[in-house]
Amino acid sequence: SQQGEEDPQALSIQEGENATMNCSYKTSINNLQWYRQNSGRGLVHLILIRSNEREKHSGRLRVTLDTSKKSSSLLITASRAADTASYFCATGRNDYKLSFGAGTTVTVRA
Amino acid sequence: DVKVTQSSRYLVKRTGEKVFLECVQDMDHENMFWYRQDPGLGLRLIYFSYDVKMKEKGDIPEGYSVSREKKERFSLILESASTNQTSMYLCASTLGDNEQFFGPGTRLTVL
Repeated sequence: SQQGEEDPQALSIQEGENATMNCSYKTSINNLQWYRQNSGRGLVHLILIRSNEREKHSGRLRVTLDTSKKSSSLLITASRAADTASYFCATGRNDYKLSFGAGTTVTVRA
Repeated sequence: DVKVTQSSRYLVKRTGEKVFLECVQDMDHENMFWYRQDPGLGLRLIYFSYDVKMKEKGDIPEGYSVSREKKERFSLILESASTNQTSMYLCASTLGDNEQFFGPGTRLTVL
């Protein structure tokens, strides 16, 4: 069942701007992961944050996790045209399965 | 470099045909997954496998079956394809509860 819900559904920004997208979920989790999907391709893992962590960085990506609010955010700083893609949050449980949201489509305008 | 491969990028089949989608990973992962992706619905889990010959139903197993005879290979079978199974099918593998590695996907059209 779909647990994560991303917001907004779509985002259009200028190159160089920051992009922020949010993910909310319903039940307790072991970890939360963010993935990117370029048009018509498979998903690529971006970052994983465990339930006992609050913030994590990877290059231009910053992820926060608030387990009390059951929400996470993904920030992409200084966006580039190559960041144009769909972004999915996925919540991980103890049984190794992931539940994915419907995704946020990000368009970076040159 | 880790790799998950899927047998076809595009596939067109007729209603009632038996369809095999193959997935192979070269990372010695125990866990493998089959998802389908439809617009506005994200990825939904069809079946997963924790080990050779082990399989468990995901959220939408109806109309599908799977086979895992070898650790590196996980097959999805549509016993009798129907038009509502037209979708993008994605295979993934993982070690433990870490990141999942995805194949490029198979876009299946059932006419």
